[in-house]
Amino acid sequence: DVKVTQSSRYLVKRTGEKVFLECVQDMDHENMFWYRQDPGLGLRLIYFSYDVKMKEKGDIPEGYSVSREKKERFSLILESASTNQTSMYLCASRLRVGRDYEQYFGPGTRLTVT
Amino acid sequence: GDSVTQMEGPVTLSEEAFLTINCTYTATGYPSLFWYVQYPGEGLQLLLKATKADDKGSNKGFEATYRKETTSFHLEKGSVQVSDSAVYFCALNFGNEKLTFGTGTRLTIIP
Repeated sequence: DVKVTQSSRYLVKRTGEKVFLECVQDMDHENMFWYRQDPGLGLRLIYFSYDVKMKEKGDIPEGYSVSREKKERFSLILESASTNQTSMYLCASRLRVGRDYEQYFGPGTRLTVT
Repeated sequence: GDSVTQMEGPVTLSEEAFLTINCTYTATGYPSLFWYVQYPGEGLQLLLKATKADDKGSNKGFEATYRKETTSFHLEKGSVQVSDSAVYFCALNFGNEKLTFGTGTRLTIIP
């Protein structure tokens, strides 16, 4: 079974703090993704990575950065947390199946910034 | 750009009712189409997919048919159970590109 784990299920941080969200996958997938999920907006892609040390901006990268030093780990960094970054954060990794790709998601981290 | 439109929720049904959740898409070309499900407190799981026109994806009693003429991929189930209560997301992508998700439809089944 593919397993994608995230370091915390719930996190509460203060405005201005630097926040690290960690994601680890155990299936040697090359591609990894960070999304945020907000009611009425669905999932929006923040950043993704095709391979180690590679990163690409998604649709809403402002206020975030990422790090991919090892294949299995993809970190999302909030340089200076703000209240509008209160959200559910979902990590995913991706496997090629035929001509398509299947994404596997972690359980999510619900971040509250006060 | 590419987009996915899902019916607005929440949807509340009684157990054993028939379920339809509408999904239409806008894309240049013929994407692969997906339904993901998110159970309470969990991440998203792939429910079913279809990769070309007229393909039918099915899993756990759910079905969806890729309709090129109407650019739709509606999710259906003949008899829902309480355990089907979840948020359902329709999504599309082209090969190696990123997934584009709809906004999600919350489904609640009452006994």
